Amino acid sequence: AQSVSQHNHHVILSEAASLELGCNYSYGGTVNLFWYVQYPGQHLQLLLKYFSGDPLVKGIKGFEAEFIKSKFSFNLRKPSVQWSDTAEYFCAVNAPRYGNNRLAFGKGNQVVVIP
Amino acid sequence: GAGVSQSPRYKVAKRGQDVALRCDPISGHVSLFWYQQALGQGPEFLTYFQNEAQLDKSGLPSDRFFAERPEGSVSTLKIQRTQQEDSAVYLCASSPPGTSDTDTQYFGPGTRLTVL
Repeated sequence: AQSVSQHNHHVILSEAASLELGCNYSYGGTVNLFWYVQYPGQHLQLLLKYFSGDPLVKGIKGFEAEFIKSKFSFNLRKPSVQWSDTAEYFCAVNAPRYGNNRLAFGKGNQVVVIP
Repeated sequence: GAGVSQSPRYKVAKRGQDVALRCDPISGHVSLFWYQQALGQGPEFLTYFQNEAQLDKSGLPSDRFFAERPEGSVSTLKIQRTQQEDSAVYLCASSPPGTSDTDTQYFGPGTRLTVL
């Protein structure tokens, strides 16, 4: 079955540390890839997305993600986190061959940044 | 501009009651999606509209769930005879037509449903 996997559901790190969140998917063919973030008390917001072109995608707030097709991965990175990056992060995949634009989400990574 | 709005933000229902959840998408957005997010999980797809047409309802968990978008803008998700397992956050998302942004979905704040 098609799925999106995120590991290390809970991540705790100190300010200025580097962050990397893994995302793997099992869909074949063309995919569109997204990272969404949900800050405490707020709704899901788009962090960055990949449709085609340069596999290294830069998003808001210093985040970037790299699409590696051979590994079916789309990992999120930030070199130096801030306390305000405390949030839940969701990887999502849209696979057009499976119809419409429905998103399949991973279970999320709860990230806590300690000041 | 205004984002996706949902109401109510919180709903408590007794088991067996019917509930109706409303979504106002971003103006001009053709596509509208409903997702269900259980505690500690990622959102799960429920149903999809393009304008007023419900093109995919394969994610609806049972025939107690019904969604409509009669005029192609506001949508309502109705759950009949609610059960405890229906407790979740219900998210609505919309996406714009005919641009490179078509596949990007913009989410509302969700309705947190608690069934007692």
